Amino acid sequence: DIQLTQSPSFLSASVGDRVTITCRASQGISSSLAWYQQKPGKAPELLISDASTLQSGVPSRFSGSGSGTEFTLTISSLQPEDFATYYCQQLNSYFYTFGQGTKLEIK
Amino acid sequence: QITLKESGPTVVKPTQTLTLTCTFSGFSLFTNGVGVGWIRQPPGEALEWLALIYWDDDKRYSPSLKSRLTITKDTPRNRVILTMTNMDPVDTATYYCAHRPAGNPGFGPWGQGTLVTVSS
Repeated sequence: DIQLTQSPSFLSASVGDRVTITCRASQGISSSLAWYQQKPGKAPELLISDASTLQSGVPSRFSGSGSGTEFTLTISSLQPEDFATYYCQQLNSYFYTFGQGTKLEIK
Repeated sequence: QITLKESGPTVVKPTQTLTLTCTFSGFSLFTNGVGVGWIRQPPGEALEWLALIYWDDDKRYSPSLKSRLTITKDTPRNRVILTMTNMDPVDTATYYCAHRPAGNPGFGPWGQGTLVTVSS
């Protein structure tokens, strides 16, 4: 099974900050990684696919990079609506797994 | 516009079988490459991927739950059904279904989710 480890698990930041979340895979997954945003009480929303392809309607302050085993999600300038939990998901193997999540909180 | 909605019981007893239905609109499982997946989330915990069915009836299951899960589709009626046998209190979670677009290695959009509580 491919395991995904996100770091950090919790992140405290201020509006306007630049933040980076890392997702590490236990084995190489090429660029088959997606990022999701989940707000309390809501379903997750797909932000990025193929490690770096921004989905339609997602603000350009979000970006993704990486391949193989290490990936990052970067928010260039945090906005109030960005405080949420973020998950990575690998789609390389026969079945798909999520990371444990990163909760982004207001400092 | 693509929408999905989960339906099923809100409470099941231990050892019972859970049957959930995902009813969707705005896409079809007649379309090459398209799939519908199921994901769950225990209260306050992380997402857990459960199963996926593609337009060609290719089925994928979480290895840890494979023996308990069955995913099927009713393509003309735009429905995907998930059954989970031998329910346990640890299976208490919000269950989501989600669209897997053709050629896009991600899931979106998702349904609103349905909370299933396992309790005697």
